[in-house]
Amino acid sequence: ELKVEQNPLFLSMQEGKNYTIYCNYSTTSDRLYWYRQDPGKSLESLFVLLSNGAVKQEGRLMASLDTKARLSTLHITAAVHDLSATYFCAVDIGETSGSRLTFGEGTQLTVNP
Amino acid sequence: DAGITQSPRHKVTETGTPVTLRCHQTENHRYMYWYRQDPGHGLRLIHYSYGVKDTDKGEVSDGYSVSRSKTEDFLLTLESATSSQTSVYFCAISPRGQGSPLHFGNGTRLTVT
Repeated sequence: ELKVEQNPLFLSMQEGKNYTIYCNYSTTSDRLYWYRQDPGKSLESLFVLLSNGAVKQEGRLMASLDTKARLSTLHITAAVHDLSATYFCAVDIGETSGSRLTFGEGTQLTVNP
Repeated sequence: DAGITQSPRHKVTETGTPVTLRCHQTENHRYMYWYRQDPGHGLRLIHYSYGVKDTDKGEVSDGYSVSRSKTEDFLLTLESATSSQTSVYFCAISPRGQGSPLHFGNGTRLTVT
């Protein structure tokens, strides 16, 4: 059974600071996704990582994937209040042409002024 | 929202009653999914479909059934609702198959009293 673990689960940080969210998973996969969810809203796709060593960046967020270590990171640079949300990583173990995502518990990020 | 509509958006029902949630897509995508979201668990896959009348179980399928008689509609039924099924239910589609992120609907908040 695939397990996906995120840490920390709760993160309170000051504006302007840097931090990293970690996502570990228990079985081989080279397809990993990061999503953002605002309170009461749906999930929004942030990054798609499809190979070992993949790195994607968008604004103050950068995601990377190490398939050998079964680890993905989401790095936040110079946080701003607008980044406050819950962030999920999800691993795809689909064996056919479709996707079957297993999600981590989520990291609730609060950025304080 | 990638043409996904979930209905109803909110529902309160009593223990033991049947409940059907509907997911409608406008883009003819083959793969559709039902997830539930609960605090401390992230999102968990209930059932998914890979075509008309083709469905399979996910991680937490007990107590749920699904049907897909048309490409555009994927129905989730709770035959006899229990309080443990109080949750937020998300439908998702896979617009470009494996290696592309799932797109989620806006969710249905279900309360079983």
